[in-house]
Amino acid sequence: NAGVTQTPKFQVLKTGQSMTLQCAQDMNHEYMSWYRQDPGMGLRLIHYSVGAGITDQGEVPNGYNVSRSTTEDFPLRLLSAAPSQTSVYFCASSYARESTEAFFGQGTRLTVV
Amino acid sequence: SQKIEQNSEALNIQEGKTATLTCNYTNYSPAYLQWYRQDPGRGPVFLLLIRENEKEKRKERLKVTFDTTLKQSLFHITASQPADSATYLCALYYSGYSTLTFGKGTMLLVSP
Repeated sequence: NAGVTQTPKFQVLKTGQSMTLQCAQDMNHEYMSWYRQDPGMGLRLIHYSVGAGITDQGEVPNGYNVSRSTTEDFPLRLLSAAPSQTSVYFCASSYARESTEAFFGQGTRLTVV
Repeated sequence: SQKIEQNSEALNIQEGKTATLTCNYTNYSPAYLQWYRQDPGRGPVFLLLIRENEKEKRKERLKVTFDTTLKQSLFHITASQPADSATYLCALYYSGYSTLTFGKGTMLLVSP
């Protein structure tokens, strides 16, 4: 069982570039979310989805887009990378909105120069 | 907005002792509270969940308490081992919302 798979693990971008962070889960979970983790800030929610075709904003959505065309995949798009988006990004999934636990991917370490 | 406080200073204890970590929150109580473990360079891993109508939950050497009057959860690791060294995060879930809100975490260091 792969669980939640994030790619890439590491990425360096130049300011203004765009990219997509991939997230896939094989547990048939309805609920998926993206967090960023910065030193001293903890995990902050960027966007989340309660099912295919449904997404919503979290605490820090600016500069990011998401879509959920399938249950399995929940990509996060950086539209025009900025140094402030340097962070570690985690994708998580859970069985339902009110769930027992969230399963996290291994994270993507993104540096914007 | 809801505020979650975990001790930002690392907790250093000796092997075999009980580690106690604290999670405090403001305003109204969550429907449930979760604890996660995070190792360096890895994603958080779920440990325990406790609901607002539960006072205590146990799993092997782990125990979580939930006091809605004090607005506090305590996370205990008994007979701690160096392998328990990690950062521990608490997360709160509120009915009517669709998100988990995480604290910043407390690092635990268990020395032999």
